Amino acid sequence: GAGVSQTPSNKVTEKGKYVELRCDPISGHTALYWYRQSLGQGPEFLIYFQGTGAADDSGLPNDRFFAVRPEGSVSTLKIQRTERGDSAVYLCASSVQGSYEQYFGPGTRLTVT
Amino acid sequence: AQSVTQPDIHITVSEGASLELRCNYSYGATPYLFWYVQSPGQGLQLLLKYFSGDTLVQGIKGFEAEFKRSQSSFNLRKPSVHWSDAAEYFCAVDGTGTASKLTFGTGTRLQVTL
Repeated sequence: GAGVSQTPSNKVTEKGKYVELRCDPISGHTALYWYRQSLGQGPEFLIYFQGTGAADDSGLPNDRFFAVRPEGSVSTLKIQRTERGDSAVYLCASSVQGSYEQYFGPGTRLTVT
Repeated sequence: AQSVTQPDIHITVSEGASLELRCNYSYGATPYLFWYVQSPGQGLQLLLKYFSGDTLVQGIKGFEAEFKRSQSSFNLRKPSVHWSDAAEYFCAVDGTGTASKLTFGTGTRLQVTL
């Protein structure tokens, strides 16, 4: 079956611009996670959804970052007023609710110039 | 503070040699432990996991890991490395016990020489 997909695979934007990153989880997976992976680092947790609601957004670095999942499936990570320090690979993962096995997508590489 | 440490940034082994990648964690209780592999251009793939029970766990691709509570370690091993094992390996923990988020180490890059 289809895995987690993320679009776009690459995004280049100018400092100060707004970007949206999309994640399509595995069908039937009610839990969805966003992570950020900076160069040379491990993934860092951003936010976790159970269904449509954000159950844990403690990893969002500041109020420029926001994520939604309006219908409990596709999720969009939104970054306002992008900064060069936001450049990273943004990873999405999904899982069956209550399962500890997260399935990761290939990521979106964001470059802020 | 909760943390995961992978002390080796980069390891090189010859094909056919054995491999051990180190992982240490700092949590108040026994967390749920995972090893993931990330190949260039690929998403993170789960190799194995430990929740409880037998402290030696088997995973995919011939990997195994041993949980040692006294050492707060969860080292990954493979008896004979193949060239295709070259990748980045991440140890991760779920310290919340609620399947809500993973905390990853900084990773170990494995290079395999022929």
